[in-house]
Amino acid sequence: QVQLQESGPGLVKPSETLSLTCSVSDGSISSKNYYWSWIRQPAGKGLEWIGRVYTSGSTNYNPSLKSRVTISVDTSKNLFSLKLNSVTAADTAVYYCARTLPSWGPFDPWGQGTLVTVSS
Amino acid sequence: QSVLTQPPSASGAPGQRVAISCSGSSSNIGSNTVHWYQQLPGTAPKLLIYSNNQRPSGVPDRFSGSKSGTSASLAISGLQSEDEADYYCAAWDDSLNGYVFGTGTKVTVL
Repeated sequence: QVQLQESGPGLVKPSETLSLTCSVSDGSISSKNYYWSWIRQPAGKGLEWIGRVYTSGSTNYNPSLKSRVTISVDTSKNLFSLKLNSVTAADTAVYYCARTLPSWGPFDPWGQGTLVTVSS
Repeated sequence: QSVLTQPPSASGAPGQRVAISCSGSSSNIGSNTVHWYQQLPGTAPKLLIYSNNQRPSGVPDRFSGSKSGTSASLAISGLQSEDEADYYCAAWDDSLNGYVFGTGTKVTVL
């Protein structure tokens, strides 16, 4: 059963770049036709899809975040990454990574999530 | 931004049935399948129902899903205390070329 684990700094300064990685274990990130997504959830609020990367490297992004987001995949390290630049306090949230198959399919499994706080 | 609309809360006594609605549009629910997630307090969301009405292995048959037109529904029958959680619907949106989530519904067992 594949497992996902987010990692990265828990504190980021305003205007800087938030960088997270999602390590995939017990399975290859390149297998089948999986898509790999990032999702976030501010405290006490709902879920927001940030974007996804296919194993080929092609991406889809949430239009509301597209100008600030880059998602990439590193098949040699079996992980994918999120970069969100020019962050503000509004980007403070728990960030989750998740797998999807097929392209319109459900998110399953999810990582446990990692809290990122934007503050000086 | 949440494109799919859910009631903020729902409740029922143990053993009762609760239904949660998810309203969307032709570009999301009307064109694609709906998935439901359960989020217990302090934990990551977990897939509950996929492709409108399919249950992953291990999900009790007390949970069921349906879809009609641009709306979907999640039903919990035989409500149990461990069902207290937040529930979210989600679907791919062809216009946004991305996923959209529902606003979320908090289920309380009275």
